[in-house]
Amino acid sequence: DGGITQSPKYLFRKEGQNVTLSCEQNLNHDAMYWYRQDPGQGLRLIYYSQIVNDFQKGDIAEGYSVSREKKESFPLTVTSAQKNPTAFYLCASKTGGTSSYEQYFGPGTRLTVT
Amino acid sequence: SQKIEQNSEALNIQEGKTATLTCNYTNYSPAYLQWYRQDPGRGPVFLLLIRENEKEKRKERLKVTFDTTLKQSLFHITASQPADSATYLCALDLNQAGTALIFGKGTTLSVSS
Repeated sequence: DGGITQSPKYLFRKEGQNVTLSCEQNLNHDAMYWYRQDPGQGLRLIYYSQIVNDFQKGDIAEGYSVSREKKESFPLTVTSAQKNPTAFYLCASKTGGTSSYEQYFGPGTRLTVT
Repeated sequence: SQKIEQNSEALNIQEGKTATLTCNYTNYSPAYLQWYRQDPGRGPVFLLLIRENEKEKRKERLKVTFDTTLKQSLFHITASQPADSATYLCALDLNQAGTALIFGKGTTLSVSS
């Protein structure tokens, strides 16, 4: 089955700890994205990567970091510098260029920091 | 300021009726507009894309219109079913590279039988 997997589905951390969210895709997509979704808010872009070993900040990158060492993997680290880390995190991917525009989303990881 | 608004947070209709969801935007010039469906606790799923030079797009029971003069898109589900109950998100695609998708907050549709 082709798709995007995110793990874990639920994650609990204490304040002050860094935590890494996993995102893997086997769709052979070039571009990958991380979004954050809060209740009553639209999805907001954290980071995106259009090719391996390259990534760009989105609208709300502060307190987050990413890496793109392999085409199929785009992990997101939520650092202790992120002021309000509790949220639903969504990873997405799409083919590169303009051959297709829709994004394919993973099932999400719900992070709770106390 | 730039805004994207989905007018209703919630919409309740009866099975068999047509659901119409609205997406309005200001101070953007999107090349494309996309609609996604999101079920509770899950990631969004792409439904339809409409280009700025297209007035209407259809897919089975779904129809999307795009009026760049009014800066508005309408999303219709005809012959609605309880299984259509979900949150529907519109997203402005500003640069065709997927790096500038601006999402609305969504409208939660409930279809009762």
